[in-house]
Amino acid sequence: DADVTQTPRNRITKTGKRIMLECSQTKGHDRMYWYRQDPGLGLRLIYYSFDVKDINKGEISDGYSVSRQAQAKFSLSLESAIPNQTALYFCATSDRAGPSTDTQYFGPGTRLTVL
Amino acid sequence: GNSVTQMEGPVTLSEEAFLTINCTYTATGYPSLFWYVQYPGEGLQLLLKATKADDKGSNKGFEATYRKETTSFHLEKGSVQVSDSAVYFCALSGKAAGNKLTFGGGTRVLVKP
Repeated sequence: DADVTQTPRNRITKTGKRIMLECSQTKGHDRMYWYRQDPGLGLRLIYYSFDVKDINKGEISDGYSVSRQAQAKFSLSLESAIPNQTALYFCATSDRAGPSTDTQYFGPGTRLTVL
Repeated sequence: GNSVTQMEGPVTLSEEAFLTINCTYTATGYPSLFWYVQYPGEGLQLLLKATKADDKGSNKGFEATYRKETTSFHLEKGSVQVSDSAVYFCALSGKAAGNKLTFGGGTRVLVKP
């Protein structure tokens, strides 16, 4: 089983709809991240959380919100989707302690299309 | 702020050719440097990393050396295979930034038999 899972894997929605993307992990990591990937722009950080009570904005948080329901779950919401939020979304995790705190582990991604 | 610049693709090669993907960075302090690979339809996975100047990261025949004097971390492989076709991302992580990753734009590599 994958260590970092994302649901749904693909989603098509309409402008103005609310949508939630979910991420779960079994790695036991404290830190979780949401990124979006656009062609030629690499990955850009939307939100990150270093533990259940810690939520921080990334470089492109406008139009998004997150919820850290438990150590293992981190959800990303689009309150009112717009077409320029069409992208590939990735969740990632990293460890808080140990020799590899700088290494992130990624889920398989959610392809979101907003019509 | 931190930034990463890598060569644009796509890069098209024949099998057994030599691959180089250039990556340069701007950062404060002493970041860790990474190459991530994304195979078709999959998420990113760590390919290699280096945490201090002159370190060489290596994995699966790929290598990259942390060059502080030129702020570079170029990825190389001596003989590519069709299975190396993927998108490659250079990234950095700085302790001052809470170990958040900053990515380059990605380079698509296509290896033809």
